[in-house]
Amino acid sequence: GAGVSQSPSNKVTEKGKDVELRCDPISGHTALYWYRQSLGQGLEFLIYFQGNSAPDKSGLPSDRFSAERTGGSVSTLTIQRTQQEDSAVYLCASSFWGGKGYTFGSGTRLTVV
Amino acid sequence: GESVGLHLPTLSVQEGDNSIINCAYSNSASDYFIWYKQESGKGPQFIIDIRSNMDKRQGQRVTVLLNKTVKHLSLQIAATQPGDSAVYFCAENQAGGTSYGKLTFGQGTILTVHP
Repeated sequence: GAGVSQSPSNKVTEKGKDVELRCDPISGHTALYWYRQSLGQGLEFLIYFQGNSAPDKSGLPSDRFSAERTGGSVSTLTIQRTQQEDSAVYLCASSFWGGKGYTFGSGTRLTVV
Repeated sequence: GESVGLHLPTLSVQEGDNSIINCAYSNSASDYFIWYKQESGKGPQFIIDIRSNMDKRQGQRVTVLLNKTVKHLSLQIAATQPGDSAVYFCAENQAGGTSYGKLTFGQGTILTVHP
């Protein structure tokens, strides 16, 4: 597509439930990133996929968070046993190799109640 | 750890004035820096970037200045318009290694333009 697409745009879940957030990057972009943005805060790096290389998972806050990227395209971020502190906007971005000029999606707003 | 921070969390200007948004960074290994604009309910949008071997770069109504001596980055917006109201983030990119491509973002500056 023309841009980075994320779904759902909003997700309300009960504490303890698992959630899956989806990202469709721009076609041809080899790099894909997940960031988290809490209200009024900056962007917290979560994970970075680059081609067939092993992903950089150094930003994942706990083992409840995982992400995969199938076929070098679509990515799914999974949060298990959600906690209230997981409430945030989860942003996905993609780019060509090198990280210059990321294109961000509009994000998924996750609310854990 | 390394971080990117902003001097001013909020900035209010009158339409037509010039705006200057500042950013301090701490990672001397970063090879380029990017400014993003984020409007409410949207993802950040690329504005302009600058490589570490430059000290100034101009775009349409925007100029980015890089002072490596004091590790300071600024974004200048000329003739600010109400549509410029948004949160502005600076970000730095680490050069090389497994972290190449990973941006570290600052906390952001809220720019409000009054008509």
